[in-house]
Amino acid sequence: EADIYQTPRYLVIGTGKKITLECSQTMGHDKMYWYQQDPGMELHLIHYSYGVNSTEKGDLSSESTVSRIRTEHFPLTLESARPSHTSQYLCASSEWDRGSTGELFFGEGSRLTVL
Amino acid sequence: KQEVTQIPAALSVPEGENLVLNCSFTDSAIYNLQWFRQDPGKGLTSLLLIQSSQREQTSGRLNASLDKSSGRSTLYIAASQPGDSATYLCAVSGGLTGGGNKLTFGTGTQLKVEL
Repeated sequence: EADIYQTPRYLVIGTGKKITLECSQTMGHDKMYWYQQDPGMELHLIHYSYGVNSTEKGDLSSESTVSRIRTEHFPLTLESARPSHTSQYLCASSEWDRGSTGELFFGEGSRLTVL
Repeated sequence: KQEVTQIPAALSVPEGENLVLNCSFTDSAIYNLQWFRQDPGKGLTSLLLIQSSQREQTSGRLNASLDKSSGRSTLYIAASQPGDSATYLCAVSGGLTGGGNKLTFGTGTQLKVEL
């Protein structure tokens, strides 16, 4: 059973609001990720982190930002939400595995709707 | 750039059938391959992880094989049940064009097991 948690699970907000999606894991994993997924579509990596104070942009350009102040915590922030940000955001974590990505564990996701 | 393709995109079978889901990738220099299950509106659940040096992995009614040289993996589900209905995703880590830290996902096979 994976121990990775995302809050909120569902969020409906108005345009221009600032939002933070929380992600926490209790497995002590160094690597953490944020993926974005539209309904019926593939996952796109938007941010990842190798460890504390490390953050990198993923393959898909995103207006969101992330921080990694503690190993277990990897929040994602949108300073000014827009309808185009409506999507499901999935957080994941893994160990290092011989210099590459080990088994990936996902949270339940945060479904964001911006009106 | 690593590309991952899953065939078929959708599959409907009667309960009890054995079935095979296919995954192919263009860059065979991978570190590992993972199969995931995703239920509607939820996160991904890791099913099986196959390292590049392995040929197959088994978990209960699931068996995943890997033929790295031909860029193919299959997920075999024995004696399918309605509870197996979900979208199944494969993802590969690494590749000469992808780098060791990147996980590339396929678009998934949507499976429906009918009573």
